[in-house]
Amino acid sequence: SQELEQSPQSLIVQEGKNLTINCTSSKTLYGLYWYKQKYGEGLIFLMMLQKGGEEKSHEKITAKLDEKKQQSSLHITASQPSHAGIYLCGAFPFLNSGNTPLVFGKGTRLSVIA
Amino acid sequence: GAVVSQHPSRVICKSGTSVKIECRSLDFQATTMFWYRQFPKKSLMLMATSNEGSKATYEQGVEKDKFLINHASLTLSTLTVTSAHPEDSSFYICSARRDRYYGYTFGSGTRLTVV
Repeated sequence: SQELEQSPQSLIVQEGKNLTINCTSSKTLYGLYWYKQKYGEGLIFLMMLQKGGEEKSHEKITAKLDEKKQQSSLHITASQPSHAGIYLCGAFPFLNSGNTPLVFGKGTRLSVIA
Repeated sequence: GAVVSQHPSRVICKSGTSVKIECRSLDFQATTMFWYRQFPKKSLMLMATSNEGSKATYEQGVEKDKFLINHASLTLSTLTVTSAHPEDSSFYICSARRDRYYGYTFGSGTRLTVV
């Protein structure tokens, strides 16, 4: 079965600093999702990557999927307190059929301090 | 858009009672919905796949008689935790996908506390 490993598990950064979160898969990624979660709340969709080498940006967050499609990184530029939360990567365990549930990494807990 | 509404957001119940959690797709039809459980500082664990008009598919280790899933319409799936025990206390969250061009949308989650 596919496993997603996220690193680091937790991260504390000073406001204004850049940071990167990684998501590594044991198998080829057929679709990779990044979500943000506040403790005790639902998941907020950030980005979806499907093609090897693909890169997407939204505001100060950029996500990339490597060419081999086994690793994705999430980069936050000039972090702000509003970026604090748990970042989860989720992926399809096999080629998307439309009704395939996502498999998730354990998450990266981000704290941003002033 | 693709909005999924989940209720209640928080529930406290006594041991031995049953609790129903609802997951609704508000602006699309979802033939399939997914139910996850999340333990503190842990990832989301898939519990079951809810299929409209048919029986749910449960993941290994998930008791189907404990966690009853009903997907009676294209916009509503319910998860009932029967004869709840303190170890059932957790965060439950549902998910659905509008179509293959949309990302998966999640409900806001339900925090269940069994006392």
